[in-house]
Amino acid sequence: DVKVTQSSRYLVKRTGEKVFLECVQDMDHENMFWYRQDPGLGLRLIYFSYDVKMKEKGDIPEGYSVSREKKERFSLILESASTNQTSMYLCASSLLLTGKDYTFGSGTRLTVV
Amino acid sequence: DAKTTQPNSMESNEEEPVHLPCNHSTISGTDYIHWYRQLPSQGPEYVIHGLTSNVNNRMASLAIAEDRKSSTLILHRATLRDAAVYYCILNVGGGADGLTFGKGTHLIIQP
Repeated sequence: DVKVTQSSRYLVKRTGEKVFLECVQDMDHENMFWYRQDPGLGLRLIYFSYDVKMKEKGDIPEGYSVSREKKERFSLILESASTNQTSMYLCASSLLLTGKDYTFGSGTRLTVV
Repeated sequence: DAKTTQPNSMESNEEEPVHLPCNHSTISGTDYIHWYRQLPSQGPEYVIHGLTSNVNNRMASLAIAEDRKSSTLILHRATLRDAAVYYCILNVGGGADGLTFGKGTHLIIQP
């Protein structure tokens, strides 16, 4: 089974802290994605990556950055966490871009206090 | 942006068929229709996809209107484990910009 593993299930951070959310996939997928999910808003795409060292902005990249130094790992970085970044963060990977093989992790629930 | 419209929630009884509708009136000729679902406390998972013809797989069936402006996900015999949020998504531009998930339909299954 394809596995997408997110390093933390729950995380509590203070306002202004630099936060790293880690995602690792074990199926040699080219594409990786970061979404956030909020009640009433559905999933919104933050950043994605087609390849190592490549990154593309999604719909809501403000306040976030990403890093992809290795194919299997895609990190989401909150440079200075704010309370409005309290959310569920979901990582996904896919081999194809056709949309039929996205595999998601279980999510990291981040609370910024 | 190509958008989809789904009911916020639907309720059905266990072991009965469920028809989940989706409107996508601005769909273009090359946009695939994808369905994902999100079970409680999990990330979304792929259900089915199609372009023009109706599609069947072990999880569900997808019925696509002739004009492609709407589609229906059919769960033939719902179980309690099918209770989830179901997302209807258009794969715009071959998916090169990532899938855009809307708010989906919260499916409630009554025993």
